[in-house]
Amino acid sequence: AQSVAQPEDQVNVAEGNPLTVKCTYSVSGNPYLFWYVQYPNRGLQFLLKYITGDNLVKGSYGFEAEFNKSQTSFHLKKPSALVSDSALYFCAVRDQAGTALIFGKGTTLSVSS
Amino acid sequence: GAVVSQHPSRVICKSGTSVKIECRSLDFQATTMFWYRQFPKQSLMLMATSNEGSKATYEQGVEKDKFLINHASLTLSTLTVTSAHPEDSSFYICSASQTSGILFQETQYFGPGTRLLVL
Repeated sequence: AQSVAQPEDQVNVAEGNPLTVKCTYSVSGNPYLFWYVQYPNRGLQFLLKYITGDNLVKGSYGFEAEFNKSQTSFHLKKPSALVSDSALYFCAVRDQAGTALIFGKGTTLSVSS
Repeated sequence: GAVVSQHPSRVICKSGTSVKIECRSLDFQATTMFWYRQFPKQSLMLMATSNEGSKATYEQGVEKDKFLINHASLTLSTLTVTSAHPEDSSFYICSASQTSGILFQETQYFGPGTRLLVL
């Protein structure tokens, strides 16, 4: 069965500092990995994905993520955090095209000024 | 880019009534749409997979007679919460994937969500 783990409920970082939001996954085949961001009372916005190819994926708003097959991880990173990055971040996975996503529990990112 | 809309964004109803939520893919065709439910400060839980022209596939524990799903066209799926009760109060989110064409990227695009409050 597929699963996603986001070990941190909350990540706190000062504005201008680098940020990392962790995600590990478990799938039976090749993973399709995604990061989404959710602002209060809003739907999910797509940030980036890994399907195949380069392990370092660049996405929206300066975010990037690195796929690490040996560690089954797909951590979300940003070199310099902004206060406006404060939101709820979800990592998601599926093991084949066209199927539903399985979500992690979410990590709240809080960026202080 | 791909846009998914939901209507209504917020609904308050009395216990025992039925509520219909619409999910539309605005600039692409979606043969598959998904319905999720999200409780406060929790993750999204998949309720069902909606396939155009066929019956929806429900996840274990989701009552198909209570949560009626209709995917009548390639751009519209509806979720009807029948005989709603307070425990059905939640945030319902749909998503859609384009499975062919220029926008085919294996990405699910999410609607803005519908906040349901049953009194």
